[in-house]
Amino acid sequence: GDSVTQMEGPVTLSEEAFLTINCTYTATGYPSLFWYVQYPGEGLQLLLKATKADDKGSNKGFEATYRKETTSFHLEKGSVQVSDSAVYFCALSDQYFGNEKLTFGTGTRLTIIP
Amino acid sequence: DAGVTQSPTHLIKTRGQQVTLRCSPKSGHDTVSWYQQALGQGPQFIFQYYEEEERQRGNFPDRFSGHQFPNYSSELNVNALLLGDSALYLCASSPDSPDDTQYFGPGTRLTVL
Repeated sequence: GDSVTQMEGPVTLSEEAFLTINCTYTATGYPSLFWYVQYPGEGLQLLLKATKADDKGSNKGFEATYRKETTSFHLEKGSVQVSDSAVYFCALSDQYFGNEKLTFGTGTRLTIIP
Repeated sequence: DAGVTQSPTHLIKTRGQQVTLRCSPKSGHDTVSWYQQALGQGPQFIFQYYEEEERQRGNFPDRFSGHQFPNYSSELNVNALLLGDSALYLCASSPDSPDDTQYFGPGTRLTVL
């Protein structure tokens, strides 16, 4: 079945550092890929998405590129802020459209130190 | 515009009891999905409702059942609670249209003692 493997956490960085959180996936079809963020005590918020190979999703300075050849969707940000501290989840949907069932990774907790 | 709302926020039950969780979707959304998020884990898909029917189901036992009402709100029912059912239960809504995303509620924290 479909699966998502995420970089183990927790990750601790200093403010303004460069961030990479690795994500690889296994899927039988042509999934859409997502990054969701979960702030303390809140539900999940969509951060960005990509629906086909070589698409780049971006939002709030974060970006990720859908790499079919390496089955990856790594999350990057050039300069992190304290407000980026949260848990980040990589996910895929097993149909073309994003409103189908989502398969999530285990999450990566990110802490940014001032 | 209200987002996805869930009730209650927290719930404590004992083993063997039954529980009902509720979800109201975002305005304009007609599809509701439920997920279970155990502590330190990613959410796991339970099932999805569309037009008052279960459209997809994840790998969860029949103790987990649901319902969708004509106003698109939804309930998740869990019977014969086990300690392992303790988790954050997330509801997500979406319109039944292409190229859109699921919007999540804040969740219901269920503790089974």
